[in-house]
Amino acid sequence: DAMVIQNPRYQVTQFGKPVTLSCSQTLNHNVMYWYQQKSSQAPKLLFHYYDKDFNNEADTPDNFQSRRPNTSFCFLDIRSPGLGDAAMYLCATSRGQVNPEAFFGQGTRLTVV
Amino acid sequence: AQSVTQPDIHITVSEGASLELRCNYSYGATPYLFWYVQSPGQGLQLLLKYFSGDTLVQGIKGFEAEFKRSQSSFNLRKPSVHWSDAAEYFCAVGAAGGSYIPTFGRGTSLIVHP
Repeated sequence: DAMVIQNPRYQVTQFGKPVTLSCSQTLNHNVMYWYQQKSSQAPKLLFHYYDKDFNNEADTPDNFQSRRPNTSFCFLDIRSPGLGDAAMYLCATSRGQVNPEAFFGQGTRLTVV
Repeated sequence: AQSVTQPDIHITVSEGASLELRCNYSYGATPYLFWYVQSPGQGLQLLLKYFSGDTLVQGIKGFEAEFKRSQSSFNLRKPSVHWSDAAEYFCAVGAAGGSYIPTFGRGTSLIVHP
């Protein structure tokens, strides 16, 4: 089945130690999104790629970066995780301007110790 | 700019009772509307969607929603709730073209009592 896959499902990292979360898709969608979701809150968009074009949300901290080496893969890099970065990170894809329906991965739960 | 309002933060129902979760949106043109469900520790799963056509749409798990343009609403309904329906529900609005990024409501937490 075509899908969005996030690895790992659970990630524990040390305060200040760089960490990378990964997302892959078999849907061949143009757009890949990264959301941060804290407990009992709506997902908050960090940034997205439309094809190779990177779009950063204005309030996304510089500590968060992303890479999309090809259509199928997208990475979220947190350069120096703080305790406040502990959250669920959700990857999603869509066909963008053709169809905005978003398809989500299962998420990565990040714990910072 | 598009926006979504889910006025109820929590809804509590008894198992077997009917359910309606409210969603109001703001968008100038014809929107694409979605309901997603999120179980604890999971990603968002699409329940149903409306793009055009019949304003009453059927989704998975026995859910349905009705698009009412005059009220700018897209309420989610289920005639008989099961304990496994306890989850967080998100309404979202998007559009083809320039406003393709979905905007999510804050979510409604559904609690089901036995």
